[in-house]
Order: sequence, then structure tokens, then C-alpha cells
Amino acid sequence: DAGVTQSPTHLIKTRGQQVTLRCSPKSGHDTVSWYQQALGQGPQFIFQYYEEEERQRGNFPDRFSGHQFPNYSSELNVNALLLGDSALYLCASSLVWSGGASEQFFGPGTRLTVL
Amino acid sequence: TQLLEQSPQFLSIQEGENLTVYCNSSSVFSSLQWYRQEPGEGPVLLVTVVTGGEVKKLKRLTFQFGDARKDSSLHITAAQTGDTGLYLCAGLSTDKLIFGTGTRLQVFP
Repeated sequence: DAGVTQSPTHLIKTRGQQVTLRCSPKSGHDTVSWYQQALGQGPQFIFQYYEEEERQRGNFPDRFSGHQFPNYSSELNVNALLLGDSALYLCASSLVWSGGASEQFFGPGTRLTVL
Repeated sequence: TQLLEQSPQFLSIQEGENLTVYCNSSSVFSSLQWYRQEPGEGPVLLVTVVTGGEVKKLKRLTFQFGDARKDSSLHITAAQTGDTGLYLCAGLSTDKLIFGTGTRLQVFP
């Protein structure tokens, strides 16, 4: 049973460019959350997708957008890249069920470097 | 804004020593989780604490949730080199995780 997978593992872009990161959730999971982790800090919540819609959003600008596909996989898009967008981008999947939140399983992340 | 502050930020100890990591917030969380993250990997869940005052043990690791559900601690007994990593607490708020600032632990042989 494959866990959460992310691609690519590393990416180098220049300021102003656009980037797309991809995530495949753990088998059986229907919810995908994205986090940004700057070097030496804890992850920051970007947004969460469920049933192909953005369910919750953190304090990130509109340059950050996402999508969830019918197979539950997800993409994170960042436009007009800034140097400060350099970070590890983590995807986490979970299964939404009534009565509480379920455990989130994290992928290995995509390391984005903006030059 | 919900914030989780962890202390200490860095900890460097020798094998066999004991240590405690603290996670504090001004907000109440429905539950709090502890993760460990190693270089090049995503965080891995260690434990979830739900009830105020709850204590959970995972081998040499002891986790406690504060009575008011605003703070938590992680105590490691007789640390081993394999305990090295970034320890993160995270509060659960409407199904999203609010992560703490992290404690980087280095255990030397």
C-alpha cells in the first residue's frame, strides 16, 4: 500500500515563474491538505481539498491555488514566484469521517528553490 | 491567530540523558499531536492527546496534555541517537493542523 507520494522531489525556479506541485494521497483517503515549511520552522497550513473543492484556507495570498481531481490526487500551483516562496511543500492526506478528524499522513515533500 | 510556541528551539544532548520539550499556546485545541520529522521526509505522527490532563506513553516517550488543553509536553527518557530529529507539536483546529515552531534534537553517542 503506497503512502502519500509527491512530485517532483526538488525544483529550481526563478522569480516571476509559475510552478505546479503534485500529490497522490494514501489509498482510501479523500482529503488532501498542503503545507509550506520554511527552513528551520514548522509547517504552515496553505489549504485543504475535499470533494474537489477548497474546504479551508490558511493565510496565503491568491498566488497560491490548488485543485483536486476525481481520483483525489491534488496539485498546488504558485504564480509569480518570490524568493520567499523557497520552502519544503508538504502534502498530507486523510479520510474525512463524521465525529472528528482523522490522522493526516504526510508525503516526503517537494523542495522548491526560487532564485 | 492561533500560535504554538515550542521550547527549547534546539537541544543537544548525549545518549542516556533525559529531556523535556514544551509546547504552549494561548488557544484551546480539541486535540494536540506530536510529530517527528527527519531530514528529507515529511512529519510522522507519534501520538494524539485529546483529554485535558491526559498522559500517553510510547516506549521511552511520555506525552502530556495540559488540563486546560492549551499546552503539552514530551519527555524522553534515556535518549538514543535514533531519537535525533525535529519534534513538532500541532494543534487540531477545524480539521487543519496548526504546527508549533519545532524543537531540533541532536543526540550524540
